[in-house]
Amino acid sequence: AIRITQSPSSLSASTGDRVTITCRASQGISSYLAWYQQKPGKAPKLLIYAASTLQSGVPSRFSGSGSGTDFTLTISCLQSEDFATYYCQQYYSYPLTFGQGTKVEIK
Amino acid sequence: QVTLKESGPVLVKPTETLTLTCTVSGFSLSNARMGVSWIRQPPGKALEWLAHIFSNDEKSYSTSLKSRLTISKDTSKSQVVLTMTNMDPVDTATYYCARILSDRDYSNDYWGQGTLVTVSS
Repeated sequence: AIRITQSPSSLSASTGDRVTITCRASQGISSYLAWYQQKPGKAPKLLIYAASTLQSGVPSRFSGSGSGTDFTLTISCLQSEDFATYYCQQYYSYPLTFGQGTKVEIK
Repeated sequence: QVTLKESGPVLVKPTETLTLTCTVSGFSLSNARMGVSWIRQPPGKALEWLAHIFSNDEKSYSTSLKSRLTISKDTSKSQVVLTMTNMDPVDTATYYCARILSDRDYSNDYWGQGTLVTVSS
C-alpha cells in the first residue's frame, strides 16, 4: 500500500496567517491526490482534487500543488472558519489511503 | 441536490456482522461510471477507506479488510450496502458513505453525515 506522510500533525496559527501543510507519498502518485477539511462532528469536505484543482464553491485562498511524491496545501490568509483538521488522500492505486491529518488550531 | 445518508445499527456485539445502508438522492447509481465509497473514522483518529462500487458493479476493497467486507448496490432503491463480518471493538468508528467525483477521479465530493457504530458486548 502507498503510505502517505502528512506534516505537521498540528499547528497553531493566527487569523490572516499563511499556512502550509504537506503530504509525501511513499511512491509516485502522479497528481492523484485530494485534500479534505473536517470540522468536529462533521463529515469531511472536499477542497482540492487532482492535486491542484479547486472544488466548486471552495474559497480561492485554498490552493494545492505538487505531483509525484510531494504535495502541498496552502491557505493564503487563514480565516476563523478554517480552523479544522485537514487530510490528504491518494487515489493512484488501491488501497486508497489517507494521511494522518493536520489539526490547525488558533494561536 | 446530491445527498447521501447512512443507516444501520448503532451498537453491534463482537463477532456479529454489521450491515450499513447508504441511500442516495440527486444522482443515479445507474449513471455511467457513477460510484460510491465507504470510509470510516475511529474516534479521534484518521480516515480509512474501506471500499467502493461503480455503476458497472466494479468493486474494490481495503486490502487489510477485504476478507470481511462485501459491498453491493440496489439501483432501484438508490442504495449501496456494506457488510462487515466478525466485528471487533477496534471497528468502533463513524462510517461514512461518499460519492466518487468521476470515473477519472476517485476523490469524494459529497459525503453523508456519518453513522457511529459501537462494537461492545
